[in-house]
Amino acid sequence: DAGVTQSPTHLIKTRGQQVTLRCSPKSGHDTVSWYQQALGQGPQFIFQYYEEEERQRGNFPDRFSGHQFPNYSSELNVNALLLGDSALYLCASSPRQGGPEAFFGQGTRLTVV
Amino acid sequence: AQKITQTQPGMFVQEKEAVTLDCTYDTSDPSYGLFWYKQPSSGEMIFLIYQGSYDQQNATEGRYSLNFQKARKSANLVISASQLGDSAMYFCAMRGPYNQGGKLIFGQGTELSVKP
Repeated sequence: DAGVTQSPTHLIKTRGQQVTLRCSPKSGHDTVSWYQQALGQGPQFIFQYYEEEERQRGNFPDRFSGHQFPNYSSELNVNALLLGDSALYLCASSPRQGGPEAFFGQGTRLTVV
Repeated sequence: AQKITQTQPGMFVQEKEAVTLDCTYDTSDPSYGLFWYKQPSSGEMIFLIYQGSYDQQNATEGRYSLNFQKARKSANLVISASQLGDSAMYFCAMRGPYNQGGKLIFGQGTELSVKP
């Protein structure tokens, strides 16, 4: 049973560019959440998707947007990249019903230069 | 507002000994869940253990146990018989009622180093 998978694992972008990160949830999970983890910090919640809609959002600007597909996979898009967007981006999946579990992928390490 | 506090930036433990990582939380919700995750240098957040606010008994998963003291709002992680592979960052996290989805709120983490 594959767990949560994220792609790519590493990415280098230039300031002002746009980036798309991808996540496939664990089998049986229909809810996907995205987190940003700056160096030396705990992860910060960006937003959560369920039934292809954004259900909750953390304190992140509109430059951060997302999408969920019918197969429950998800994308995180960041526009107009800033140096401060350099971080590890983690995707977590969970079942909407049936349990509290939340499993994470290995993350995408984004470096903005 | 929900908050998680981990007051130990770093901890050292001798191999095969037990270690306790501290976590306190703050919430006004009567229903919540508490999680511990391990994050090795590779970056992946590995789920260790979960405790629901209404669970009467402390959660255990192999060498991991959660010392849940609801009145004190603490949820300490106990690792028994430490192994060299336990060296990693450990994060405590909290979530509101799980049937409402809910974001995870993380603490700052504790870096555990296991000495041979």
